[in-house]
Amino acid sequence: EDKVVQSPLSLVVHEGDTVTLNCSYEVTNFRSLLWYKQEKKAPTFLFMLTSSGIEKKSGRLSSILDKKELFSILNITATQTGDSAIYLCAVGEMNRDDKIIFGKGTRLHILP
Amino acid sequence: GAVVSQHPSWVICKSGTSVKIECRSLDFQATTMFWYRQFPKQSLMLMATSNEGSKATYEQGVEKDKFLINHASLTLSTLTVTSAHPEDSSFYICSAPLAVVMETQYFGPGTRLLVL
Repeated sequence: EDKVVQSPLSLVVHEGDTVTLNCSYEVTNFRSLLWYKQEKKAPTFLFMLTSSGIEKKSGRLSSILDKKELFSILNITATQTGDSAIYLCAVGEMNRDDKIIFGKGTRLHILP
Repeated sequence: GAVVSQHPSWVICKSGTSVKIECRSLDFQATTMFWYRQFPKQSLMLMATSNEGSKATYEQGVEKDKFLINHASLTLSTLTVTSAHPEDSSFYICSAPLAVVMETQYFGPGTRLLVL
């Protein structure tokens, strides 16, 4: 049973649009939620979220966590073609030796 | 920032041979490293946790005799795919967390394995 569910699975938008990627999770002892961007090779770290309601921001990307409703969103404003990638959400559990569980990812394609 | 390297980037081998993949943390020590496998258009699947100085911990369904892991030093973990078969063809990625911020895992660039 999937513990980390991302939606949508795939998204195509035009350059300049704003996108919102969703991640819901179900774990026994939540520790943190992480967002990664994966282009052609390994994922690169974007954000780590541990507290509800505190927005993390990096340039045009921002993310927020809702621990009550068990989800997180990743927003990208004024999208560029370089934002085309797979965005992975992952959740870390307590007492799990720092393992993280990945969602299936959202494949984002930005049209010029 | 922290860097993790993998070698080789690409490997093509015949069925029945063994393949060794190295994962190195270049500017930090990693007592723990993780090995993932990724099939096309799918997410990362954790295979095992590599522990320096002790046996690796394998996830359910991963054959420990087939995927041998050795964490020889604080900067090197190796994954050996023994008697490789075509179904082992995949993208293998390692990651290592910084000791201070365990959550932030740094990923290697990955190794693409093709077994003919």
